[in-house]
Amino acid sequence: AQSVTQLGSHVSVSEGALVLLRCNYSSSVPPYLFWYVQYPNQGLQLLLKYTTGATLVKGINGFEAEFKKSETSFHLTKPSAHMSDAAEYFCAVSETGTASKLTFGTGTRLQVTL
Amino acid sequence: NAGVMQNPRHLVRRRGQEARLRCSPMKGHSHVYWYRQLPEEGLKFMVYLQKENIIDESGMPKERFSAEFPKEGPSILRIQQVVRGDSAAYFCASSRTSDSYEQYFGPGTRLTVT
Repeated sequence: AQSVTQLGSHVSVSEGALVLLRCNYSSSVPPYLFWYVQYPNQGLQLLLKYTTGATLVKGINGFEAEFKKSETSFHLTKPSAHMSDAAEYFCAVSETGTASKLTFGTGTRLQVTL
Repeated sequence: NAGVMQNPRHLVRRRGQEARLRCSPMKGHSHVYWYRQLPEEGLKFMVYLQKENIIDESGMPKERFSAEFPKEGPSILRIQQVVRGDSAAYFCASSRTSDSYEQYFGPGTRLTVT
C-alpha cells in the first residue's frame, strides 16, 4: 500500500523567502511522484512530476522538487516566494507502470506575507 | 483544447435525494478517475474507469455510490439517497492511455446535502 505524509498543514513565508514544503512517501514499488497546486474553489493543477531519470525535477512557476530514494522524500522548493503562490499544495504518489490511482497527502496550505 | 469538464459546479440536494455528477474527459483521453475531497482533507481515490469498464473501484463506498463511463457521453458518478456526510468536492481527472501516468483534473463539483 502506498501513503504520503506532508509535514506541516500550514506554512507561512515572507514574500521573497525560500519556500520548502515537505513530502515523504511510502511505496512497495518504485513510485511516480507528483506535486499539485489547488487555488480556492478550483481543481488541481500539476506543478511537476518525477517518473524516472533525473532526480531533480523542475516545474511551473519556478518550483522544483528532488526525489531522494534513501530518504523516501520529494520535497517541493522555490527560491523566492511570490504572493501569487499562496494556495494549497498536495503531494501524490502512484504506482509505476500503467495508469493507476493517485494517493494524496493531506495538503499544505502556503501563506505568503508581505 | 478544452480541459476536463465537470458539471454542475455546485449541486445542492436534500437528504434522501439522488445526485448525478458528470465528467467529460479531455479530448483523446479514455481513462477517467473520480476523487472525493472532504473539507480540510486531501483527495481520496474513489474509482477508475475506461470506456464501458470499471478498472478499480477500491475507493468507492459499497452502498449508494456507482459510476459509469459509457461508450458515448460523459462519465457519471451517481450517489443515491444522499446523506450529510456526502457533502464534499468531487473531482474528476482524465489521462490519455494505459501507459500515461499524468492525470488532468477538472474544476470539481461541490455537493452540499441539506
